[in-house]
Amino acid sequence: DTGVSQDPRHKITKRGQNVTFRCDPISEHNRLYWYRQTLGQGPEFLTYFQNEAQLEKSRLLSDRFSAERPKGSFSTLEIQRTEQGDSAMYLCASSLTGLMVYSPLHFGNGTRLTVT
Amino acid sequence: SQQGEEDPQALSIQEGENATMNCSYKTSINNLQWYRQNSGRGLVHLILIRSNEREKHSGRLRVTLDTSKKSSSLLITASRAADTASYFCATDAAGNQFYFGTGTSLTVIP
Repeated sequence: DTGVSQDPRHKITKRGQNVTFRCDPISEHNRLYWYRQTLGQGPEFLTYFQNEAQLEKSRLLSDRFSAERPKGSFSTLEIQRTEQGDSAMYLCASSLTGLMVYSPLHFGNGTRLTVT
Repeated sequence: SQQGEEDPQALSIQEGENATMNCSYKTSINNLQWYRQNSGRGLVHLILIRSNEREKHSGRLRVTLDTSKKSSSLLITASRAADTASYFCATDAAGNQFYFGTGTSLTVIP
């Protein structure tokens, strides 16, 4: 079990640029979640996938945000035309969920985005 | 939006003392979980309690759940400096996403 990995750990970008983050979940996990966390706050739900299907998106996720999970393995989160308000820690988590199976969320260490 | 709120927002105790933090939430849940987060890191799962359970233990952790009051508490006994972290409760809503509270920042002074 290598855990959930996220890349990059840190990203500094100028306002208006596009950025893309990658998450590699635990290999046997079928669910993958994206959260955003600002300083002093708890993680805010953005979206989640069951295998390759994106099942739910938060209203927080504007049209500038898009997430994919091709082939139900790794996932990418892209932010277009970044704004200073997008500065935050972006956390990925995975879990195994089924009829008789339930696991808690396993988090990566996050990607910290700073928009200047 | 965040489902839960932890109380207190910050807690400072001496090593060896017990730490209690509370979580209140708004809607019906299937289960409630507690997570720990060290500074600059991801969250680590501590314990899960199902909606039909009232109390659960894991090592030095004790969790209670009162669904009538929509609240839960996490007790850490015999605290250690290594317990210094932020603690969050998370509830699963009907849509299977997990909502986190605002967190309690615990400082254990050696």
